[in-house]
Amino acid sequence: SQQGEEDPQALSIQEGENATMNCSYKTSINNLQWYRQNSGRGLVHLILIRSNEREKHSGRLRVTLDTSKKSSSLLITASRAADTASYFCATDETDTGNQFYFGTGTSLTVIP
Amino acid sequence: DGGITQSPKYLFRKEGQNVTLSCEQNLNHDAMYWYRQDPGQGLRLIYYSQIVNDFQKGDIAEGYSVSREKKESFPLTVTSAQKNPTAFYLCASSTRGHTGGIFYGYTFGSGTRLTVV
Repeated sequence: SQQGEEDPQALSIQEGENATMNCSYKTSINNLQWYRQNSGRGLVHLILIRSNEREKHSGRLRVTLDTSKKSSSLLITASRAADTASYFCATDETDTGNQFYFGTGTSLTVIP
Repeated sequence: DGGITQSPKYLFRKEGQNVTLSCEQNLNHDAMYWYRQDPGQGLRLIYYSQIVNDFQKGDIAEGYSVSREKKESFPLTVTSAQKNPTAFYLCASSTRGHTGGIFYGYTFGSGTRLTVV
């Protein structure tokens, strides 16, 4: 089974700066998702990007997908202290399609 | 409001004891999932169900059991065979059931933190 790997493991930025985190995976996928998790809470769905899409936007979030490099990036613009959380990518393998595999996450700290 | 409810929020288990974690959803989602989260290891799939009365093992099913008697409910039992059950357990649901369909993402519950005492 494959698992997305986020990079960096931890990121600390000042409020107002942009935050970029990356996800790499191993095999062909149908969909890639990004989730946010505040400490001790459940995950919140941010964006889903399908394998035939290259870029999606949602508010201050921008996600790109490069299937040739098997990688995705999540950009948070004009970060806020409330963006402090862990961010996970999740991918489903083309063959199975029923299971999503989560990475170990990027811990983002936004300093006010 | 539609969503997923997990209970209890905190659970303590004695050695050799079985415990059951509750997960209920009112989103009319076909599929439900149980994940385990350990520090630094992300989420790992325990079991999932795409239709009532059917479920599939995930990557770490040993020591766990589930049932899906109702569409809304997917309880997880952590048995005494699970040797290291201390973890954060997350339940999720999605629209992708046994007939496939368009996937829009998971909705997660707020989790149950299980500790062995």
